[in-house]
Amino acid sequence: AQSVTQLGSHVSVSEGALVLLRCNYSSSVPPYLFWYVQYPNQGLQLLLKYTTGATLVKGINGFEAEFKKSETSFHLTKPSAHMSDAAEYFCAVSKAAGNKLTFGGGTRVLVKP
Amino acid sequence: DAGVTQSPTHLIKTRGQQVTLRCSPKSGHDTVSWYQQALGQGPQFIFQYYEEEERQRGNFPDRFSGHQFPNYSSELNVNALLLGDSALYLCASSLPGQGSLDYGYTFGSGTRLTVV
Repeated sequence: AQSVTQLGSHVSVSEGALVLLRCNYSSSVPPYLFWYVQYPNQGLQLLLKYTTGATLVKGINGFEAEFKKSETSFHLTKPSAHMSDAAEYFCAVSKAAGNKLTFGGGTRVLVKP
Repeated sequence: DAGVTQSPTHLIKTRGQQVTLRCSPKSGHDTVSWYQQALGQGPQFIFQYYEEEERQRGNFPDRFSGHQFPNYSSELNVNALLLGDSALYLCASSLPGQGSLDYGYTFGSGTRLTVV
């Protein structure tokens, strides 16, 4: 079975500071990995995904993530936080295209002015 | 291009009642998945429909059932509602197929179900 662990349910960063959200996964097969963002009272929006190829993946809104197989990690970063980045972020894993997504518990990001 | 549309947006039901939630997938998508997101938690997979058949199912009881119509829209039905069924129900649509380079899900804004 696949699983996802997001370290830290809440993260507080200052505007302009680095955002780092941690995600570790467990998968018996090469995984497909995703980061989604959820704003209050909204659905999930895809930030970026890793399927195959380059392990450093760039997404929307200045976010990027690096797939590290040896560490079973897919941490999300953004060099400079903006107030609009305040939201909840979910890491997810899938074992194949079209297969179900298994989500982590989420990390809520607070951005301080 | 319309994204995934879910209805209703909010719903209040009484324990023991039955509820039907609806989802219209993004244009061009023919696979629909349903997720339950309890407050403060990540979404959990309920089931997926493709070609009007349930293709995958998560660890949910038989009280949760679904249907997909020829136009690819879908319904989620929950019978004998429990207080613990209170959650945000998300619908996600996607393209089918293994190895699709465009693989990814498009989520709707969800239906907030409250069971009292």
